[in-house]
Amino acid sequence: GIQVEQSPPDLILQEGANSTLRCNFSDSVNNLQWFHQNPWGQLINLFYIPSGTKQNGRLSATTVATERYSLLYISSSQTTDSGVYFCAVPQISGTYKYIFGTGTRLKVLA
Amino acid sequence: GAVVSQHPSRVICKSGTSVKIECRSLDFQATTMFWYRQFPKQSLMLMATSNEGSKATYEQGVEKDKFLINHASLTLSTLTVTSAHPEDSSFYICSATAQETQYFGPGTRLLVL
Repeated sequence: GIQVEQSPPDLILQEGANSTLRCNFSDSVNNLQWFHQNPWGQLINLFYIPSGTKQNGRLSATTVATERYSLLYISSSQTTDSGVYFCAVPQISGTYKYIFGTGTRLKVLA
Repeated sequence: GAVVSQHPSRVICKSGTSVKIECRSLDFQATTMFWYRQFPKQSLMLMATSNEGSKATYEQGVEKDKFLINHASLTLSTLTVTSAHPEDSSFYICSATAQETQYFGPGTRLLVL
């Protein structure tokens, strides 16, 4: 089955710093989402981004489907950005049965 | 965005009892919902696909007799952990799809003593 790896596994930033999180997947996909899991466990949608680039405030994401990776950029990080970031792709193309990446645990220090 | 709710948010039960978790899509209909399980500091693992009006489909290694799923309406799916044991303690999360996007419930923390 498809494998999804994220890097780095852990990241500590000073408030105001920028960061790039990476998601590599082992097979072609037609769908990819980025999520933020807050300290209480709630998963929050960040981007639905099967290809191309999207921006939402301080966050932006780029997926290069042909090269099987996606990047999440966080600029001017804030303490509220802390948590775990997951990318997820369909286990089976054309479905919403998602397999989640290994996650990046981010801690932003004040 | 679409909203998915779960109830209860946390539950503590004795070993051997059964626990029911509800997942509701509040402002949209979902013919398909998904149930995930997450252990501390780990990623989410898909357990099963809940299909409205038909049987759930389970991922390899997930015991269907242990984790009973019922999708009785277009807005409600339930997961029942039967004869729970301490190893069933985990964070259970449901999701549903709206407009090509997966929306997740807030999760249910189950602790089996």
